[in-house]
Amino acid sequence: AQKVTQAQTEISVVEKEDVTLDCVYETRDTTYYLFWYKQPPSGELVFLIRRNSFDEQNEISGRYSWNFQKSTSSFNFTITASQVVDSAVYFCALSRSSGGYNKLIFGAGTRLAVHP
Amino acid sequence: KAGVTQTPRYLIKTRGQQVTLSCSPISGHRSVSWYQQTPGQGLQFLFEYFSETQRNKGNFPGRFSGRQFSNSRSEMNVSTLELGDSALYLCASSFDSSGNTIYFGEGSWLTVV
Repeated sequence: AQKVTQAQTEISVVEKEDVTLDCVYETRDTTYYLFWYKQPPSGELVFLIRRNSFDEQNEISGRYSWNFQKSTSSFNFTITASQVVDSAVYFCALSRSSGGYNKLIFGAGTRLAVHP
Repeated sequence: KAGVTQTPRYLIKTRGQQVTLSCSPISGHRSVSWYQQTPGQGLQFLFEYFSETQRNKGNFPGRFSGRQFSNSRSEMNVSTLELGDSALYLCASSFDSSGNTIYFGEGSWLTVV
């Protein structure tokens, strides 16, 4: 079965705290892509990162970092020194070769609230 | 570079009516996909079009249909609307179907009353 699990439904932090959003996926494909998107109240899904299954290097982009571990089928997202503007719903998604690369399977999302 | 553009942004329809939503992908992108987002079911894939052909389809009834034009613009149609069709409909575009980045539009908020 192909599945993405975001176990954290809601997270509430105070500004400047670090926060990690968890994502666990299931797939039997050896070639697949993992994505993270941010959804502010306006509704648009804002692309954050895409990672293919053969690239396990962690990535850092400013205050954002991602930890990809194939051994545990996880692709976690960390925001360092969170800001109020980070408040949004964050989605992890999976696409794989057998299902079609443009057919994303989304997790349920994690709502992040950053308080001043 | 313009992003993915969806129209209309908001609309209200009555049960039994039909609705057409429009999507203009990023210039140069040939793949357009549609997703439905509801509080209960989350984000679900509807279908994907590439070069005017439907490449992939999600698990939705035949009331949901789509098409893509030669300029890659896409429309989706929902006929005989039901209350449960109230949702945010998101369009996504990608250069092709080989695993490139997928970009989303702002969505069309449909309310069925």
